[in-house]
Amino acid sequence: DAGVTQSPTHLIKTRGQQVTLRCSPKSGHDTVSWYQQALGQGPQFIFQYYEEEERQRGNFPDRFSGHQFPNYSSELNVNALLLGDSALYLCASSPGWGNYEQYFGPGTRLTVT
Amino acid sequence: GQQVMQIPQYQHVQEGEDFTTYCNSSTTLSNIQWYKQRPGGHPVFLIQLVKSGEVKKQKRLTFQFGEAKKNSSLHITATQTTDVGTYFCAGPRERDDKIIFGKGTRLHILP
Repeated sequence: DAGVTQSPTHLIKTRGQQVTLRCSPKSGHDTVSWYQQALGQGPQFIFQYYEEEERQRGNFPDRFSGHQFPNYSSELNVNALLLGDSALYLCASSPGWGNYEQYFGPGTRLTVT
Repeated sequence: GQQVMQIPQYQHVQEGEDFTTYCNSSTTLSNIQWYKQRPGGHPVFLIQLVKSGEVKKQKRLTFQFGEAKKNSSLHITATQTTDVGTYFCAGPRERDDKIIFGKGTRLHILP
């Protein structure tokens, strides 16, 4: 039973560029959330997808957008990258809307130079 | 900004000693989850508490959810080197279901 997978594991981008991160949820899970984790901090909630729609959103600008596909996998897109966007981006899945028992993937380490 | 405080930020304990971390939210949470993140790893789900005043045990770990659903604690009895990591509390705010995480308590075990 595969857990949550994310790609790529590491990424280096230049300020102003755009990036797409990908996530496949744990088998049987249909709800996907994205988090940004800066070094030494707790994860910050970006948004949550269920039934291919964004259901909840944290305090992140519109530069952060996402998508969920019919197979429940998800993408996080960040436009016009800033140096401050450098962080570990975590995807978490859960077995159903309103279930807060989340299973995290290994994350994508994004570095913006 | 963060609305969940975790105390302490860091804790060094001798192996075999007990450890407690406290989680205090400025807003009522519908439920609360605890996660453990090893250095270089990702958060791993430990437990969820739903009811006011609920207490749950997992081997040497005891979790408690406060009566007002604004605070929680994690107590580890007789720590072992495998307990090293950062412990996070998290939960959805009752008013809008948005998930908030604490900044974590980093536990270091002295052999």
